[in-house]
Amino acid sequence: EDQVTQSPEALRLQEGESSSLNCSYTVSGLRGLFWYRQDPGKGPEFLFTLYSAGEEKEKERLKATLTKKESFLHITAPKPEDSATYLCAVRVTGNQFYFGTGTSLTVIP
Amino acid sequence: NAGVTQTPKFRVLKTGQSMTLLCAQDMNHEYMYWYRQDPGMGLRLIHYSVGEGTTAKGEVPDGYNVSRLKKQNFLLGLESAAPSQTSVYFCASRQTQTYQPQHFGDGTRLSIL
Repeated sequence: EDQVTQSPEALRLQEGESSSLNCSYTVSGLRGLFWYRQDPGKGPEFLFTLYSAGEEKEKERLKATLTKKESFLHITAPKPEDSATYLCAVRVTGNQFYFGTGTSLTVIP
Repeated sequence: NAGVTQTPKFRVLKTGQSMTLLCAQDMNHEYMYWYRQDPGMGLRLIHYSVGEGTTAKGEVPDGYNVSRLKKQNFLLGLESAAPSQTSVYFCASRQTQTYQPQHFGDGTRLSIL
């Protein structure tokens, strides 16, 4: 059964304290791993697509990496405005996406 | 550029009532999706469409129907609402190429009393 698991469920960081969020997956026929940011009361906002193991993508304080079994979202020197829920999703063969339950990040000033 | 627009934003229904949620996208995307998001459950796919006039079942389709009469619109219907359908509903669309991401609307918050 295709499965996506995110950890931790919640993370509190001091401003400037770097950390990583994890997304592990057990799927067959991976057709991309996607990271999204979701703010309260809003829909998920696309951040990154990772295509194959070894790939890395960066955007401001965020860097996403991918291995054959998991992806990490590294947050460097976070700011309070980085507080949000971060979702990962995988697309397998076909047109369906499977989402993890997310990591709720709070950055304290 | 509006992207994906969902209507209404909030709604309260009584058990047994029916309603339709509307999703409209202005990006000329072929694929459209309906999800529900519940605490601790993540986003779960209800139905999706790969083009005008086509629909398919997702992970949790029971109690819902959909229609895609126009490429830009995807409708989600609840024929007889149940309290278990209380949720936040999100619509998404994407291009057809393999690694293209989904683009989401801001959701419809639906309560069934």
